[in-house]
Amino acid sequence: QKEVEQDPGPLSVPEGAIVSLNCTYSNSAFQYFMWYRQYSRKGPELLMYTYSSGNKEDGRFTAQVDKSSKYISLFIRDSQPSDSATYLCAMSGSGAGSYQLTFGKGTKLSVIP
Amino acid sequence: SAVISQKPSRDICQRGTSLTIQCQVDSQVTMMFWYRQQPGQSLTLIATANQGSEATYESGFVIDKFPISRPNLTFSTLTVSNMSPEDSSIYLCSVRTGGEGEQYFGPGTRLTVT
Repeated sequence: QKEVEQDPGPLSVPEGAIVSLNCTYSNSAFQYFMWYRQYSRKGPELLMYTYSSGNKEDGRFTAQVDKSSKYISLFIRDSQPSDSATYLCAMSGSGAGSYQLTFGKGTKLSVIP
Repeated sequence: SAVISQKPSRDICQRGTSLTIQCQVDSQVTMMFWYRQQPGQSLTLIATANQGSEATYESGFVIDKFPISRPNLTFSTLTVSNMSPEDSSIYLCSVRTGGEGEQYFGPGTRLTVT
C-alpha cells in the first residue's frame, strides 16, 4: 500500500460546479496536510495547509482533514476554467527532522466553460 | 511566501554529460530542498541542501550522482552527473519558510536526456 493514494483522474466538470478532490494515507504520523496546484509546465503552488484534523477555508477553497479515517479533501466552489490544473496533496510529520513531504500523484482537473 | 527562480528552465542534454541547475530565493531561508518529478509519478525528495555542510540525501539518491552546493542562505545548485535517459525529469527546488506547513516550490527545470 502506497503511503499516499490520490485518484489521478482526469476529472472534468462544468464551470460553476463544486469539485471534490481527495487523498487517503496510511502513515498515522502525518500531522501537516497540504494542497498544491500545478499548472502545465509550472512548479507546484501552495494553496493551503492544515495542521491535524479539521477544516480550513480560503475563498472558494476548503480543505478538510479526517485523521481518524486518514482521509483529506479539497473542495472548490464555483469552479472556474482557471482552476484547470493538476492538484497535488502532500503531507508531513511534525517537529525536528519532519521536513520531507510525501506527495500523491496528483489529480488532473478540467473545468469546462 | 518566497519567490524562487531556477536556471535553466529546460535543457536537452546528451547521455554521459552533466548539468548544473541553479536555485535562487528572494529571502534567506534555512531549509532548502531538491525534488524530482517524473512523468506519472509523485514528487520525490532527492536531498536537503544544508548551508555550510554536506547535503542530506534520501534513500536511493547519492552524492556522486547528484552533488549539491549551498554556499549561502539564498542559493543552491544541484548537478545531475553522468546523465542517462532515466534522468529525464523535472527537477524542483523547494524552500520552507514560516511554519512547518509552508513549503514553496520553484518553477522547475525540465531535463531531457537523449
